[in-house]
Amino acid sequence: EAAVTQSPRSKVAVTGGKVTLSCHQTNNHDYMYWYRQDTGHGLRLIHYSYVADSTEKGDIPDGYKASRPSQENFSLILELASLSQTAVYFCASSDTRTGDTEVFFGKGTRLTVV
Amino acid sequence: GEQVEQLPSSLIVQEGASVLINCSYTDSASVYFPWYKQEPGKRLQFIIDIRSNMERKQNQRLTLLFDKKTKHLSLHITATQPGDSAIYFCSASIGNMGYKLTFGTGTSLLVDP
Repeated sequence: EAAVTQSPRSKVAVTGGKVTLSCHQTNNHDYMYWYRQDTGHGLRLIHYSYVADSTEKGDIPDGYKASRPSQENFSLILELASLSQTAVYFCASSDTRTGDTEVFFGKGTRLTVV
Repeated sequence: GEQVEQLPSSLIVQEGASVLINCSYTDSASVYFPWYKQEPGKRLQFIIDIRSNMERKQNQRLTLLFDKKTKHLSLHITATQPGDSAIYFCSASIGNMGYKLTFGTGTSLLVDP
């Protein structure tokens, strides 16, 4: 079964500090994504990538950077964490080459900025 | 950009009842609409999808209806079970491959045994 693993699963960060969320997929998928989920909202796309060493902005990229050093790994970086970035973050992957449209999600990382 | 609205925000039903979750979108360029289920502490799980060239799709107790004219979808779940208790998300994508999903705000379903 397709697997997307996120680490850490939860984190408390200090305002102004740097936070890195990691994601690893063993699906050999080309696309990877970072979404955030806030209470009362659906998931919103932050950044995505369709190939290693390249990232694209999603719908809410401000305050976030992304890095895709290899096909399997995709990181989300908060250089200066802010209170408003407290949320649950989901990584996902999908394969646009095989005709399989399903997007596979990780279990999420709960980030609390204090 | 695309906006997806989902109603109701929550539902409580008795086991065995049927439920209907409604979803509407704004961008006529959206062509692919997957739905996901999220149980507490678990990853989002794909449950059913439909493309804009279809009107109806069924997967066991799930039936998904799509109206391109009104930009409206509805998910019908029959014979609900306690295991159906979860948050259900509608989503939309302008690509056929399911990337760059725009999600609705979710419907929290609680099925009482």
